[in-house]
Amino acid sequence: EAGVAQSPRYKIIEKRQSVAFWCNPISGHATLYWYQQILGQGPKLLIQFQNNGVVDDSQLPKDRFSAERLKGVDSTLKIQPAKLEDSAVYLCASSLVRLGGTGAADTQYFGPGTRLTVL
Amino acid sequence: QKEVEQNSGPLSVPEGAIASLNCTYSDRVSQSFFWYRQYSGKSPELIMSIYSNGDKEDGRFTAQLNKASQYVSLLIRDSQPSDSATYLCAVNSLGAGNNRKLIWGLGTSLAVNP
Repeated sequence: EAGVAQSPRYKIIEKRQSVAFWCNPISGHATLYWYQQILGQGPKLLIQFQNNGVVDDSQLPKDRFSAERLKGVDSTLKIQPAKLEDSAVYLCASSLVRLGGTGAADTQYFGPGTRLTVL
Repeated sequence: QKEVEQNSGPLSVPEGAIASLNCTYSDRVSQSFFWYRQYSGKSPELIMSIYSNGDKEDGRFTAQLNKASQYVSLLIRDSQPSDSATYLCAVNSLGAGNNRKLIWGLGTSLAVNP
């Protein structure tokens, strides 16, 4: 079974530029997550999709970040314009979780991440 | 605010010793508990999950859950230098609209010294 795919793996941009990240989850996984992880910290949830609907974007800086999952499969996360403090690893994860699912369905599987450096 | 707390470490143990990693959580209705390992520069990978009180063993790893005390731990027996990593504790939580997500701790850094 193929894992979660992400691209690009690395990106260097200057502040005020825009950048986009792509994620393809594990086949059949209904839920997709975008996390931001700053060095030395745990993952911070930016947005959670259930199929193609947003179920949690409470920590997404909506003035500059946007995300979509139009067909309920792959997803893109965009930053426009980028700031220095956006330098981090952006992780995509997926899980089976559906309403009323079992504990195992909560298991999240991560892609390799995209390391973003904003200069 | 639902929270998961871990000692940030670093926790340093000699090779062959038992490493004990601890995690407490605030949401009393949480049902699923996970330990992920994250090597430097890599993404988190699942090493253990536990859903009921007691111990669960998988090779050198044992997860322990005590829901009454809201405490979950991970024991690593016969620690190896390759176990040196950050260990993340994650706990499921139900939010608005029955939305299920994981609440993450900040991680404990483990160093196994040869």
